[in-house]
Amino acid sequence: EAGVTQSPTHLIKTRGQQATLRCSPISGHTSVYWYQQALGLGLQFLLWYDEGEERNRGNFPPRFSGRQFPNYSSELNVNALELEDSALYLCASSLSGLGGGYEQYFGPGTRLTVT
Amino acid sequence: AQSVTQPDIHITVSEGASLELRCNYSYGATPYLFWYVQSPGQGLQLLLKYFSGDTLVQGIKGFEAEFKRSQSSFNLRKPSVHWSDAAEYFCAFAGSSGDKLTFGTGTRLAVRP
Repeated sequence: EAGVTQSPTHLIKTRGQQATLRCSPISGHTSVYWYQQALGLGLQFLLWYDEGEERNRGNFPPRFSGRQFPNYSSELNVNALELEDSALYLCASSLSGLGGGYEQYFGPGTRLTVT
Repeated sequence: AQSVTQPDIHITVSEGASLELRCNYSYGATPYLFWYVQSPGQGLQLLLKYFSGDTLVQGIKGFEAEFKRSQSSFNLRKPSVHWSDAAEYFCAFAGSSGDKLTFGTGTRLAVRP
């Protein structure tokens, strides 16, 4: 069974540009979570999507946004990139968080570097 | 405030020695508890989880963890460490189904030959 997949593996952008990161959940999982792992800041929750809707949001500015598609894959968009957005972005999926899913399974991450 | 504390930033053990990584949580009720492992530049792999019931839970790769409500702890153990266990280990909890994971700051494990 395929795990959570993320693309691209690495992404290099210039300050002020936009970045788009993609995630495909494990088959049968409907919840997708995004986390940021920045140096010195640890793992921080960004967004949770389930059934195509944003269900929860972490303490990040509005320029961090995303969406979930009908096939449950998800996209994270970061607008107006800043140097401090450089981090490993991890996507996780679970059985529906609305329906009792608890365990989150992580993808390999996208390393975003902002220069 | 809800939080997870991993008191040890770095731990070095000899191959074949036993291991215990500490995790303490602060939450108003019994949370759902997890241990994840991360190799350099990789994502997180779920080692084990505690939801309810038996307080000693078994995971993959020979790891186990014990939930102690009185101490608000969920320590990870392994009787004999292998060189391939060198990685960073994260304790995390969720308050409910669908809740975000709140992570500790991680413990980096080095294994001495």
